[in-house]
Order: sequence, then C-alpha cells, then structure tokens
Amino acid sequence: GESVGLHLPTLSVQEGDNSIINCAYSNSASDYFIWYKQESGKGPQFIIDIRSNMDKRQGQRVTVLLNKTVKHLSLQIAATQPGDSAVYFCAEKNAGNMLTFGGGTRLMVKP
Amino acid sequence: DAGITQSPRHKVTETGTPVTLRCHQTENHRYMYWYRQDPGHGLRLIHYSYGVKDTDKGEVSDGYSVSRSKTEDFLLTLESATSSQTSVYFCAISMTGVSGNTIYFGEGSWLTVV
Repeated sequence: GESVGLHLPTLSVQEGDNSIINCAYSNSASDYFIWYKQESGKGPQFIIDIRSNMDKRQGQRVTVLLNKTVKHLSLQIAATQPGDSAVYFCAEKNAGNMLTFGGGTRLMVKP
Repeated sequence: DAGITQSPRHKVTETGTPVTLRCHQTENHRYMYWYRQDPGHGLRLIHYSYGVKDTDKGEVSDGYSVSRSKTEDFLLTLESATSSQTSVYFCAISMTGVSGNTIYFGEGSWLTVV
C-alpha cells in the first residue's frame, strides 16, 4: 500500500529516547480526545484516549497530556523503539459526536 | 481488533464507472463510518450509519452514496468515479471504551481512478 501524508512534520528521535508529539485542537467545546498511530499501508490504530475532565492519562509506555487552557494535546512515548516509527495524529470529539482529525506527525526512530 | 473487514483492498477503475466498497463487521456495532484519507487533508468523514437503513452525510459526501441493509455490512458506492476520488478509504466502527466512544478503523481500501 502507499503511504499517506507525504508532507507531514517529522520528529526524528534516537532509539531509547523519549518522544513527545504535539497537537493543537480547534474546538474548546471538545470533550474527548484520541491518539492514533498509523503505519504505512495500514489503518489508524487506537493508542490512548482522554476525556476533557482529565489532564493526564497513562498507558503502557505512552502518556497523554491535555492542556485545555491553550487547547493543546501531547503524546509522550517512553523509551522509543523502532516499531514506534509511524504517523501519529490526534482526534477531537465535539458535542455533535463526530471526530475531527489533525494532520499528523511522522515519527522516525533512529537505531 | 475491531472485527472489520474491507473489500476490495486495492482497486483500479476507469473514470465514469461505478464502484462499491464493502465494509463488514462481526461484532454487531451500531455505528459505522466511511472516511477518506488524502495527503494534506487527513481523515475526512464521507457518510456514517447509526443503524440498519439509518445513514447520514459527513463532511465530504458529494459523489458518494451508502447503504446499510444489514447490521454487519456498510457499503460505499461511487456512482460515477472521478479522478478526485482516488484515495484511501477507511471503514470504522464506534465502540464504547473506558473513556468514551472510540472509533476503530479497518485496514483500508486503496482506490485509483484513471
């Protein structure tokens, strides 16, 4: 399959380092946020989500931080591995129950 | 794994021909969605369904129609394909998780209109 998002911002990190991927969302009324990972030729894969009544949520090696004051979302990946190389994008859900997706960031992990 | 199967996975078709993409799910989810993904535009909602025979338009519905005659199948039809409809098409379902209703995607259908 072909890759999408050929002109995405790219974050390049060394294997073993921590990665931080940022996302600015648009709607202050959004109450639910999701991070997805998309590998080349595959569908987006759910990583972690957070509701607007929380500031932080942790998963396995991943943490999502939500700053509602500046409408900013971040995904932190601990001890980044080559298998983490992918495009990551955030999505926000508003009162209409529909998701709006960000453009994505390409994460490249150098061995 | 949300039990979503898309077919065909890859298709090349000529301008003006009809094309139908099929999404099949095995877990009785009520909500199903069709998205397209293009460089520079990200994922955009085409149509969605909230039950058998219940569908509604999304952000980019022009040129597309959908049908849902059974819970498990959601069909996307391009009545007369155009080159602007060359894209990757993703079917998705909505599943209630710990934090909310999360959308899970299928593996995609790559469509090229020549």
